[in-house]
Amino acid sequence: NAGVTQTPKFRVLKTGQSMTLLCAQDMNHEYMYWYRQDPGMGLRLIHYSVGEGTTAKGEVPDGYNVSRLKKQNFLLGLESAAPSQTSVYFCASLSPGATYEQYFGPGTRLTVT
Amino acid sequence: LAKTTQPISMDSYEGQEVNITCSHNNIATNDYITWYQQFPSQGPRFIIQGYKTKVTNEVASLFIPADRKSSTLSLPRVSLSDTAVYYCLVGATPSNDYKLSFGAGTTVTVRA
Repeated sequence: NAGVTQTPKFRVLKTGQSMTLLCAQDMNHEYMYWYRQDPGMGLRLIHYSVGEGTTAKGEVPDGYNVSRLKKQNFLLGLESAAPSQTSVYFCASLSPGATYEQYFGPGTRLTVT
Repeated sequence: LAKTTQPISMDSYEGQEVNITCSHNNIATNDYITWYQQFPSQGPRFIIQGYKTKVTNEVASLFIPADRKSSTLSLPRVSLSDTAVYYCLVGATPSNDYKLSFGAGTTVTVRA
C-alpha cells in the first residue's frame, strides 16, 4: 500500500514549456486535490476532484488544468509554464469516514526559469 | 471557509508540553477543526480532528470550548522530532467537498 505517490519528484522547466504532474493513490479514495506551496507559506488549493471524470476549481486555478480519467489518478497540467509557477506541488486524497482526513503525497518541486 | 489565526512560532524544550491555540471566530455550525503537521520537504500529515469538547489520540489532544471559537492542540512531552509546522484548519465538510484552507501555520521548534 503506497498511499499517495507523485511523479516526478523534481523538475526544471523553461518559461513557456508544458508538463504534466501525475498523482496516484491506491486507497480507492473518491476525492483528490492539488495544492501548491510557496516558500514560508501554507498550501493553496489549485483544483480538486470529487470523483472519476469530475473536476472543480480551487483558490488559484489560473494557468493549470486537471484531468481525472481514472479514479486512482489525478493529473495536473501546466500548458505554458511561468516563473510564478515555481513552487512545491502536493497532491492529496480523501475518503470520508470516521474523520475527514486528507492523505498527502511527498510533493513535486518545480522550478520555472 | 472560516479564517483561522494562530501564532507564527513557538519554542519549547524536550519533555515539555506544547499548547498551540487557534482562533476561528466565524466557524460554521457544521465545521470540524483539524490539525496537520508538516516537516520540511514533506506533505502535511493529519494529527487530530474534533467538533467539540476534547479529543485525544496517541499523538495529541484537542481541546474545544463550548463556543467553538477557538481550539488548542496539546502535544505532550515533545521531542526534537516534533519540530515542524502545525496548521489549524476549519471547515472540510461534505458541503464544501472537504476542501482545506491552509494559513501560514505555527512553526514549533523543540530544543534539547
